[in-house]
Amino acid sequence: DVKVTQSSRYLVKRTGEKVFLECVQDMDHENMFWYRQDPGLGLRLIYFSYDVKMKEKGDIPEGYSVSREKKERFSLILESASTNQTSMYLCASSPWFSEQPNHNEQFFGPGTRLTVL
Amino acid sequence: AQKVTQAQTEISVVEKEDVTLDCVYETRDTTYYLFWYKQPPSGELVFLIRRNSFDEQNEISGRYSWNFQKSTSSFNFTITASQVVDSAVYFCALSEAGIQGAQKLVFGQGTRLTINP
Repeated sequence: DVKVTQSSRYLVKRTGEKVFLECVQDMDHENMFWYRQDPGLGLRLIYFSYDVKMKEKGDIPEGYSVSREKKERFSLILESASTNQTSMYLCASSPWFSEQPNHNEQFFGPGTRLTVL
Repeated sequence: AQKVTQAQTEISVVEKEDVTLDCVYETRDTTYYLFWYKQPPSGELVFLIRRNSFDEQNEISGRYSWNFQKSTSSFNFTITASQVVDSAVYFCALSEAGIQGAQKLVFGQGTRLTINP
C-alpha cells in the first residue's frame, strides 16, 4: 500500500522555536510538496522539490525552508516559529509528469496540526 | 495568475439526495489539468479525478460524475444518491506549469459537504 507519512499528527511549539516537520514517502516518487491548509483558504503551496537537493519556492515560502537530502524524505523547517504559522501542514509526493490518464496525482500524508503559542 | 474558486463553502443535504459541487477556474494556459480531491475527517486528501484541458468528455464513476465545460471555465462534481460516507471536504485544483516534471497545484477554498441520515 503506497504511503506518505508525517512525523507527528499534532505538535505544539513556542514562539521563536525552530520546528522540523518530516515527511517520508515509500513510492520512489521524484516530486515532493509541502502545503499549509487554513480555513477558507484551501491548500497553499509552501515549497516543492523535484529531485534530491533541489527545491523551488511555492506561493508562500516566507518564514519556511526545506531540505531534501534523500529521495524519500522532505523536511519543512520553521526557522523561528510565529503564531501566524499555526496551521495544518500537508506533505505530498507525486511521480514525474506523464500524459497517462489520471497520472500525476499527488499522494498526501495525514497532515500535522501545528500550534505555535 | 491561476485561480480556482469554489463558491459553496458548506452544503448540507439529506441522504439519497443528489448534490453538485461547483468549481470555476481561471488560467491563461492552453494546456492545463483539473483535479478533484476528497478530504474525509481523518484528514488525508484522496485523489478522485484528473482531467486535461483537451478532454471535455464528461466522466462517470459509480455515483460520481464530473462535468467539464471550457466555455464557462467550470469543472463541476455531482454525487448521485448521496450517502453519509460522502461527508467530507472536497477540493478542486488546477495544475500550474511545473518545473522538471513537477506539477504544482492551485487549490480552491474547499466545500464542506455534510450528508445527514
